[in-house]
Amino acid sequence: KAGVTQTPRYLIKTRGQQVTLSCSPISGHRSVSWYQQTPGQGLQFLFEYFSETQRNKGNFPGRFSGRQFSNSRSEMNVSTLELGDSALYLCASSFDRGRTGELFFGEGSRLTVL
Amino acid sequence: AQRVTQPEKLLSVFKGAPVELKCNYSYSGSPELFWYVQYSRQRLQLLLRHISRESIKGFTADLNKGETSFHLKKPFAQEEDSAMYYCALKGSEYGGATNKLIFGTGTLLAVQP
Repeated sequence: KAGVTQTPRYLIKTRGQQVTLSCSPISGHRSVSWYQQTPGQGLQFLFEYFSETQRNKGNFPGRFSGRQFSNSRSEMNVSTLELGDSALYLCASSFDRGRTGELFFGEGSRLTVL
Repeated sequence: AQRVTQPEKLLSVFKGAPVELKCNYSYSGSPELFWYVQYSRQRLQLLLRHISRESIKGFTADLNKGETSFHLKKPFAQEEDSAMYYCALKGSEYGGATNKLIFGTGTLLAVQP
């Protein structure tokens, strides 16, 4: 079974630009969550999607947004990029919402903002 | 507020020595806690969850509500245990369904030969 796939793996942007990251969950998984990982703040929750609906949102500004499609694939978007948005963005999928607590993580998309 | 604290950034032990990775949490309800592990060049993955009361790769973790702790223990460390370990708390105030996890900052376990 293929794991969680995130694209692109690496990208470089400049301040003010926007970026879209993509996540394909494990086949059959309907829940997708996004996390930001930085050396200073560690792993921080961004959003949780289930059945194309945002179920939970972390404490991030409105520049961070996401969506989920009918095939459970998800995208997240960051607009008006700032230097502090440089991070590893991790996507995680799960079959359901919280029953097992097991999230399957992707390898991440590493964003560098110059 | 919901919070997970891992006080040690690095824990270095010799092979065969006991290991205890500390985790303390702050949560107003009935917590659900997990340990996730990231081996070198691998993805973050679940190691164990407190509700399962299982031992995985020789590791165990007991939830102590009185001390609000969920320390990870192994009696005899192996070199292959070297990895980054994250304690995580399910982030639902009322125990509702969610996949939101609140992670600690992680502890790097280095097992020396």
